[in-house]
Amino acid sequence: SQTIHQWPATLVQPVGSPLSLECTVEGTSNPNLYWYRQAAGRGLQLLFYSVGIGQISSEVPQNLSASRPQDRQFILSSKKLLLSDSGFYLCAWASPSRGVINEQFFGPGTRLTVL
Amino acid sequence: DAKTTQPTSMDCAEGRAANLPCNHSTISGNEYVYWYRQIHSQGPQYIIHGLKNNETNEMASLIITEDRKSSTLILPHATLRDTAVYYCIYGAQTSYDKVIFGPGTSLSVIP
Repeated sequence: SQTIHQWPATLVQPVGSPLSLECTVEGTSNPNLYWYRQAAGRGLQLLFYSVGIGQISSEVPQNLSASRPQDRQFILSSKKLLLSDSGFYLCAWASPSRGVINEQFFGPGTRLTVL
Repeated sequence: DAKTTQPTSMDCAEGRAANLPCNHSTISGNEYVYWYRQIHSQGPQYIIHGLKNNETNEMASLIITEDRKSSTLILPHATLRDTAVYYCIYGAQTSYDKVIFGPGTSLSVIP
């Protein structure tokens, strides 16, 4: 069966520090991968998506970046965190054969607090 | 901005049916309606999707109006574990640019 992992579960970082969040998927090949952010009390915002190794598309301009160095690994990074980067970060995968937003499977999330 | 409109919150008695409405008046002909839910501090969970016909699975039923401008998610026998935020979204199966989750409906199932 397929599983998706994210780490760390929680993170507290000072403003201006770098960030690296990792997401890995097991049990599937060539998945579509997504990074979302959820601010407190708000809906999910799609940040990045990827349809293959090295292929990253950004939905919103920001100081975050994403990379996909391996088929089932998706990394979210920042060189300098802002206070507004605080939130709940979720990674998700979907089978490309079943469409894009059809039945995405989400990871447990990383709760980031920037102080 | 979210393109769907949902009530901010709803209550439902345990064991009764929960009917969660969603308005999506700008939906296009090739766009599906999807429902997800998010239990506190967890990632969202896919529930069901549909195009124009009513759909049912082991979790819920989806009723889509004939003009497709609104839909209702039905949880036939709500349990306490169904307490969650329910998101209604829509988009074409191959479109990335319309994956927008709004604030959703916070459903509280009451014993």
